[in-house]
Amino acid sequence: GAGVSQSPRYKVTKRGQDVTLRCDPISSHATLYWYQQALGQGPEFLTYFNYEAQPDKSGLPSDRFSAERPEGSISTLTIQRTEQRDSAMYRCASSRTSGGHNEQFFGPGTRLTVL
Amino acid sequence: DAKTTQPNSMESNEEEPVHLPCNHSTISGTDYIHWYRQLPSQGPEYVIHGLTSNVNNRMASLAIAEDRKSSTLILHRATLRDAAVYYCILRPSNDYKLSFGAGTTVTVRA
Repeated sequence: GAGVSQSPRYKVTKRGQDVTLRCDPISSHATLYWYQQALGQGPEFLTYFNYEAQPDKSGLPSDRFSAERPEGSISTLTIQRTEQRDSAMYRCASSRTSGGHNEQFFGPGTRLTVL
Repeated sequence: DAKTTQPNSMESNEEEPVHLPCNHSTISGTDYIHWYRQLPSQGPEYVIHGLTSNVNNRMASLAIAEDRKSSTLILHRATLRDAAVYYCILRPSNDYKLSFGAGTTVTVRA
């Protein structure tokens, strides 16, 4: 596609429910990233994929968070047993490769609210 | 990760240049200097990046000090659309992630 897309744009859920967020990267991009952004702060790295491989998931806050990219294109981020502290903007980005000179293209984000 | 220091906020008038400083005294030889900006209610957007030499693109210029311990992002003629949070980020050549700090909030007055 023309850019990175994410769905849903907004998600409201009750504490304890599971949620799954979706990211559709730019089609030619090998690398996909997930970030979490709290209100008034910069994004914080969660995890990334090179195609379907997930070399680093050290930024995931707890084992309730998981991500996958089974076919090396679309990715999902799942949060199990949501807690109020999980409320944030979740941003996906993609780049052609993972090297430090590569530009990352960000999607519009999913605003998650846990009641 | 190497750290960057930026002013919390800056103000500018429309049509005037904006110079955004960034200090990175602990930069290493393989660190790229990246700038991203985030407009209100949008995702971060790439602005420019460089390693040692000054860089220009259609959005901005990046001036890098000779010792690489500081850099300046230059917006040549600020418009209202340039009002955003600007992030200066050091990114090693073999690193994949962006480590955002607090950034500089730029306000443009009409």
